[in-house]
Amino acid sequence: DQQVKQNSPSLSVQEGRISILNCDYTNSMFDYFLWYKKYPAEGPTFLISISSIKDKNEDGRFTVFLNKSAKHLSLHIVPSQPGDSAVYFCAASGAGKSTFGDGTTLTVKP
Amino acid sequence: NAGVTQTPKFRILKIGQSMTLQCTQDMNHNYMYWYRQDPGMGLKLIYYSVGAGITDKGEVPNGYNVSRSTTEDFPLRLELAAPSQTSVYFCASSYWTETGGDGYTFGSGTRLTVV
Repeated sequence: DQQVKQNSPSLSVQEGRISILNCDYTNSMFDYFLWYKKYPAEGPTFLISISSIKDKNEDGRFTVFLNKSAKHLSLHIVPSQPGDSAVYFCAASGAGKSTFGDGTTLTVKP
Repeated sequence: NAGVTQTPKFRILKIGQSMTLQCTQDMNHNYMYWYRQDPGMGLKLIYYSVGAGITDKGEVPNGYNVSRSTTEDFPLRLELAAPSQTSVYFCASSYWTETGGDGYTFGSGTRLTVV
């Protein structure tokens, strides 16, 4: 039973437009939610996080939204750039351990 | 400023062989983790450690062992390698307290093939 799901394996957007990546979770005990970015042949890189007591966190072009009642979070990238093309992993954390989704491959077209 | 260092980057093992994947961090992080990533899948937690001398199983621990004798090092041991252990292995570390913490810092991965 997968506790963290990213239902869209891939997403393609035009440069300059908004990218929205989605993630659903099932365990209400998770208290931190994180997004990571991964390029081929590299380890994932931490991007942005949000505590369960908040509903929004912004860092430059990246904003994460959390809807606890729906057990849903999303990552917004505005404006999208070709360098944002990568695999994005959603993770949900409890007691210092994270459970990862299967990832969404984002392609930003020039 | 090395972060998390994993060695080796690539390895081919024969069925039944053993090996140790090395992982070192220089950030004085208390938590360390080993994940594996199969093609098209997310990362699955193998083992983790909350500090020197303390380790615990994750989601997929069978066929692996770990130790944490120092804050910096967290080696992963594969005994009797099997084809099902063909994967990319990532070591990570983080600083975590009861009030929360940082995102993980990952190593660059070890690509292991068992034939």
